[in-house]
Amino acid sequence: DIRMTQSPASLSASLGETVNIECLASEDIYSDLAWYQQKPGKSPQLLIYNANSLQNGVPSRFSGSGSGTQYSLKINSLQSEDVATYFCQQYNNYPYTFGAGTKLELK
Amino acid sequence: QVQLQQSGTELVKPASSVKISCKASGYTFTSNYMHWIRQQPGNGLEWIGWIYPGNGNTKYNQKFDGKATLTADKSSSTAYMQLSSLTSEDSAVYFCARGYYDGTYYYEGYFDFWGPGTMVTVSS
Repeated sequence: DIRMTQSPASLSASLGETVNIECLASEDIYSDLAWYQQKPGKSPQLLIYNANSLQNGVPSRFSGSGSGTQYSLKINSLQSEDVATYFCQQYNNYPYTFGAGTKLELK
Repeated sequence: QVQLQQSGTELVKPASSVKISCKASGYTFTSNYMHWIRQQPGNGLEWIGWIYPGNGNTKYNQKFDGKATLTADKSSSTAYMQLSSLTSEDSAVYFCARGYYDGTYYYEGYFDFWGPGTMVTVSS
């Protein structure tokens, strides 16, 4: 199975700050990577697919980048509603696998 | 609008089975892959498998072979997942999630709509 290593595991940031979350795959996943946001008690929501394509309706302050084994999610100008846990997911190989998540809190 | 409505919380005994449902509305049920994903307490997400309701084809994570069985009823636009030989390790929230559709093409690798989740607790 492809192992997805997310960092950091938790993150505290101030409103308006820029935040970066990293995801490292154990092998090349050829940009077959999605990012999801999960708020407490809710189901995950798709933010980014194909490593850098923004899902319809997702604010443009979210962006994704990367290739090969290294990917990142960037949140510009952090808002209070961005407090959540973020997961990466690879879909290049079965079984699809997720990172362990990054919990984002406000400082 | 697309909605996935899941069945309610289940409290089941060890060694038993449970069948949870995911009723789809707002789109053509037979055209999109339907995935199932597990989230154990305090843990991350695990992909269980998908079913393509159009023809009943399935793909499973090997870890869940023999544990999960995916089916779909086209007449009611409902996907089902049966979990068998339950242990405390199977206590989790189970989500159904639709494979992505961009208005033209269907993709199975990532998920654009998720159900609210069904909590399954295995306890004697």
